Amino acid sequence: GENVEQHPSTLSVQEGDSAVIKCTYSDSASNYFPWYKQELGKRPQLIIDIRSNVGEKKDQRIAVTLNKTAKHFSLHITETQPEDSAVYFCAATDSGGYQKVTFGTGTKLQVIP
Amino acid sequence: NAGVMQNPRHLVRRRGQEARLRCSPMKGHSHVYWYRQLPEEGLKFMVYLQKENIIDESGMPKERFSAEFPKEGPSILRIQQVVRGDSAAYFCASSPPTQNEKLFFGSGTQLSVL
Repeated sequence: GENVEQHPSTLSVQEGDSAVIKCTYSDSASNYFPWYKQELGKRPQLIIDIRSNVGEKKDQRIAVTLNKTAKHFSLHITETQPEDSAVYFCAATDSGGYQKVTFGTGTKLQVIP
Repeated sequence: NAGVMQNPRHLVRRRGQEARLRCSPMKGHSHVYWYRQLPEEGLKFMVYLQKENIIDESGMPKERFSAEFPKEGPSILRIQQVVRGDSAAYFCASSPPTQNEKLFFGSGTQLSVL
């Protein structure tokens, strides 16, 4: 099955700086890579996703990049704000017929005002 | 359109009791997933269900845990004879039939075993 690794486990940045979170996956047939944000005590929420037919996607201050050859993908947050503080999870789909979603272990991002 | 509804939000059980966690998917969604989250840890896949069918239960412990998604009513995750190690947040997610990789999560049930 799919295995997703995520780094770093914790990340502290100054407000206004950029934050980068990296993930690798094992199944070369995976074709969908979402990112979820989980604030303390709340549900994970989808913030951005990318499919294997594109290399980069942007949504305001958030961008994701995908390198299929190397089997890694990254989340980039620019101009970080205190409300960006949360745990971020990357995920990848299994190549099985029903698209099981496997999550990374999470990155706890702290934005220091 | 109401989101994914889970209840209860908090559930306290003593060791040996049974825990029943409920999940109603979003309207129009036919796929339900259960994930377990321990403190400071990630989301561990437990089981994937469609109406009246278990598609993948590879993440479910072999004993004491079961799940169902009946034709009518919510999906149920059942834990028999709970132990302290079962204490965790249990999240349900649903997805639409045509985009079953897009997960919408409920607010979770925090299970505490005394």
